[in-house]
Amino acid sequence: GQNIDQPTEMTATEGAIVQINCTYQTSGFNGLFWYQQHAGEAPTFLSYNVLDGLEEKGRFSSFLSRSKGYSYLLLKELQMKDSASYLCAVRNNNAGNMLTFGGGTRLMVKP
Amino acid sequence: DVKVTQSSRYLVKRTGEKVFLECVQDMDHENMFWYRQDPGLGLRLIYFSYDVKMKEKGDIPEGYSVSREKKERFSLILESASTNQTSMYLCASSFPHENSPLHFGNGTRLTVT
Repeated sequence: GQNIDQPTEMTATEGAIVQINCTYQTSGFNGLFWYQQHAGEAPTFLSYNVLDGLEEKGRFSSFLSRSKGYSYLLLKELQMKDSASYLCAVRNNNAGNMLTFGGGTRLMVKP
Repeated sequence: DVKVTQSSRYLVKRTGEKVFLECVQDMDHENMFWYRQDPGLGLRLIYFSYDVKMKEKGDIPEGYSVSREKKERFSLILESASTNQTSMYLCASSFPHENSPLHFGNGTRLTVT
């Protein structure tokens, strides 16, 4: 089976930087995805990591360490519209390459 | 842009009713998925399909079945709805490549009374 852990909630200030962590335990790791989900809306794809290191996309970056079973999503220059849930999902090639999601981290950005 | 369309945004059904949730995607994706999303439990995979007429159980298939008669359409069926199936249901699709992200529909909020 798989175990994916994320903090339930985080609060940050507009303009600041926030790091959302995700730890996982899985055999057959085959990639990690981050999604953003605004309340009442569909999750939308943010980033994908399969090799160790940092992937940068504008204000958002995602980091992966396979040996530690650890990833983080870094959001810079926070805006009010970044208030959303952030979902970490791990692909497992021992389970038909299915994606398993963590419970999500609800981020509240305050002025 | 990929569009994944779920037929209903909100549904209210009675216990014991047969319920059909429909999902259509327009990007010729081979893979399609049904998840349910509950507070504190995240997204859990019910069923998925890698091709027409093909289906595989996910983590929580009990009480559900699926149908994929055409590539673009994946239906979730609740044979006899129960109150513990009250949830947000999300359909998703993707290409089969390992780095292909899922594209989600807007969800169907089902209430079983």
